[in-house]
Amino acid sequence: EAEVAQSPRYKITEKSQAVAFWCDPISGHATLYWYRQILGQGPELLVQFQDESVVDDSQLPKDRFSAERLKGVDSTLKIQPAELGDSAMYLCASSRTSGGVNEQFFGPGTRLTVL
Amino acid sequence: AQKITQTQPGMFVQEKEAVTLDCTYDTSDPSYGLFWYKQPSSGEMIFLIYQGSYDQQNATEGRYSLNFQKARKSANLVISASQLGDSAMYFCAMSHMNTGFQKLVFGTGTRLLVSP
Repeated sequence: EAEVAQSPRYKITEKSQAVAFWCDPISGHATLYWYRQILGQGPELLVQFQDESVVDDSQLPKDRFSAERLKGVDSTLKIQPAELGDSAMYLCASSRTSGGVNEQFFGPGTRLTVL
Repeated sequence: AQKITQTQPGMFVQEKEAVTLDCTYDTSDPSYGLFWYKQPSSGEMIFLIYQGSYDQQNATEGRYSLNFQKARKSANLVISASQLGDSAMYFCAMSHMNTGFQKLVFGTGTRLLVSP
């Protein structure tokens, strides 16, 4: 069964360092999402891609966060510099198309701890 | 404002019993979808069930059913015949036509513990 892949699964870094997370969506899924889930809360959308284009990045802290999906397949989310408040689970999800209701399939997530 | 409220931080149920997890929502968009996801301790979000705002019948998927009461703006998840493997966090989420049904807004979740 096809799955969304994410790496690393866990990342510990010191504040002010740069970190990067990678996501490989299910093959053929045009829409890719990055969510941040702070402990005790539900996931919050950071950025949505349709193929290689950003559709929604309204909640992405653009002063320190960046995301790209250059070839419309896999994606990288970067934080530079990391802050203590960035400690969270970062979830990647993908869905088939951008129209209508599509189930989003989630990856296992990257758990980030900033010291 | 679009908001999902899950008022039960934790729920306990005995194996083989049924349990209802509450979800209420707030939206001014007449066209929306409601989702339930399960998040085990391993972290991934697992899709359970979907209900569209115009669906006439309550959604069912195996042991999961969604008790959709549109006038009350509630979309409670019912799990029948609970199993030990059902122990997890459960999130209610909503999407809207004005975002192309793409952006999911999640509640804060309910932790379910199934005891033997």
